[in-house]
Amino acid sequence: EIVMTQSPVTMSVSPGETATLSCRASQNVNNNLAWYQQRPGQAPRLLIYGASSRATDIPARFSGSGSGTEFTLTISSLQSEDFAIYYCHQYNDWPPKFTFGQGTKLEIK
Amino acid sequence: QLQLQESGPGLVNPSETLSLTCTVSGGSINSHSYFWGWIRQPPGKGLEWIGNIYYSGNTHNNPSLRGRVSMSVDTSRNQLSLRLASVTAADVAIYYCASGRHGYSSGRYDFWGQGTLVTVSS
Repeated sequence: EIVMTQSPVTMSVSPGETATLSCRASQNVNNNLAWYQQRPGQAPRLLIYGASSRATDIPARFSGSGSGTEFTLTISSLQSEDFAIYYCHQYNDWPPKFTFGQGTKLEIK
Repeated sequence: QLQLQESGPGLVNPSETLSLTCTVSGGSINSHSYFWGWIRQPPGKGLEWIGNIYYSGNTHNNPSLRGRVSMSVDTSRNQLSLRLASVTAADVAIYYCASGRHGYSSGRYDFWGQGTLVTVSS
C-alpha cells in the first residue's frame, strides 16, 4: 500500500497570506495526485488533479506542483472560506489501491 | 454536472450487512465517461477508499476490508449500491459515493455526494 503523509498536520495562517501544504508518497505515484478541500459538515471538493491541473471553477489562487513522491498545494491570498481541511489522494495504482493522506487542517491565525 | 445522493439505514446491527444506495442525476450511470466509487470517513478522522466500480462492471475494493465489500449498479434506476458485510464498531463512518471522469488523469473524484452517517449498534 502506498502511504501518503501530509505535513504539517495543522497550520495557522493569517488571511491574505500564503499557505503551503505538503504531501509525500511512500512510492512513486508519477503525477497521479489530487487535492481536496473539506469544510466542516461538507463533502470533500476536488481542487487539483494530475498534481497541477485545477478542477472546474477552482480559483487561480489554488495551485499544485510536484511529481513522483513530493507534492505541494499552495493557496495564495487566503480568504476566510479557505480555512478547512485539505487531503491529498494518490490514484497511481492499477488495479486501484487508492490512498489518502491524513489531512492538513488550515486554521485562521 | 453530476449530482449524487446517498441513502440507506443510518443504524445497522453488529455483524449484519450495511446497504447503501447512491442515486445519480445529471448524467447516466451507464456512461463510459465516468467511473464510480465509495469512500468513507469515521467521525473526526480522515478519508478511506472503499472501492470503485466501472462501466464494464468490474470492481476493485480496498484489500483492508477483507472481501466484505460488494458493489453494483442498477442502470434502470441510475443508482449504484454498496454492501458491507459483518459490520463492527470500526465501520461507523460517513459514507460517500463519488464519481470521476475517465480520460486524462483518471482516478480522481470530480463529484461527491453529501454523505450519509452509518452507526453500528444493537
